[in-house]
Amino acid sequence: DIQMTQSPSTLSASVGDRVSITCRASQDIGTWVAWYQQKSGKAPKLLIYKASSLQSGVPSRFSGTGSGTDFTLTISSLQPVDSATYYCQQYNFYWAFGQGTKVEVK
Amino acid sequence: EVGLVESGGGLEQPGRSLRLSCEASGFTFGDYTVSWFRQAPGKGLEWVSSIRSKAYGGTKEYAASVKDRFIISRDDSKNFAYLHMNSLKTEDTAKYFCSRGYFDYIGGSYRTLFDYWGQGTLVTVSS
Repeated sequence: DIQMTQSPSTLSASVGDRVSITCRASQDIGTWVAWYQQKSGKAPKLLIYKASSLQSGVPSRFSGTGSGTDFTLTISSLQPVDSATYYCQQYNFYWAFGQGTKVEVK
Repeated sequence: EVGLVESGGGLEQPGRSLRLSCEASGFTFGDYTVSWFRQAPGKGLEWVSSIRSKAYGGTKEYAASVKDRFIISRDDSKNFAYLHMNSLKTEDTAKYFCSRGYFDYIGGSYRTLFDYWGQGTLVTVSS
């Protein structure tokens, strides 16, 4: 099985800050990584796929980088509506998620 | 507009059964893979089961934690997917989400990516 290790588990930042969340895969998964946003246990929303492709309709302040085992989600200018939990997911071999990062906007 | 609505959750005793339903709308349901994911209270997301479209054989797959207990199925004529949950355990307590999957390509390789999710239905297994 492929494990995804995500950090940090929580993050608190101010409006306008640049924040990053990292994810490390237990083996090489190419760029088969997606990032999801989930608010209060509701339906996860796809933000990024293929490590760096922005899903249609997602604000351009969200971006993703990485390949192989190390991946990063960056929010370039944090907004109040970005308060949520973010998950990385590998979809190279079945589907596995990181533990999640709870983002609080001060 | 793509829509996925889960139903059928509730409180059930260990060892009993429950059937979850996922009603799809706004897209050609039969062309897509459907998966169930779950999220235990206060925990992260976990893949449970998937069923491919009939064009790709209708292949069914299960996570080890539910294999031989859960059965996934679909009725493309009604735009529904189902998860039959048998021999329920307390650790099956979670919100269950259905999701639409499609093939994402890089060159000649493809993987299944899930783009739309329902709001989920809560299953509680307790005596």
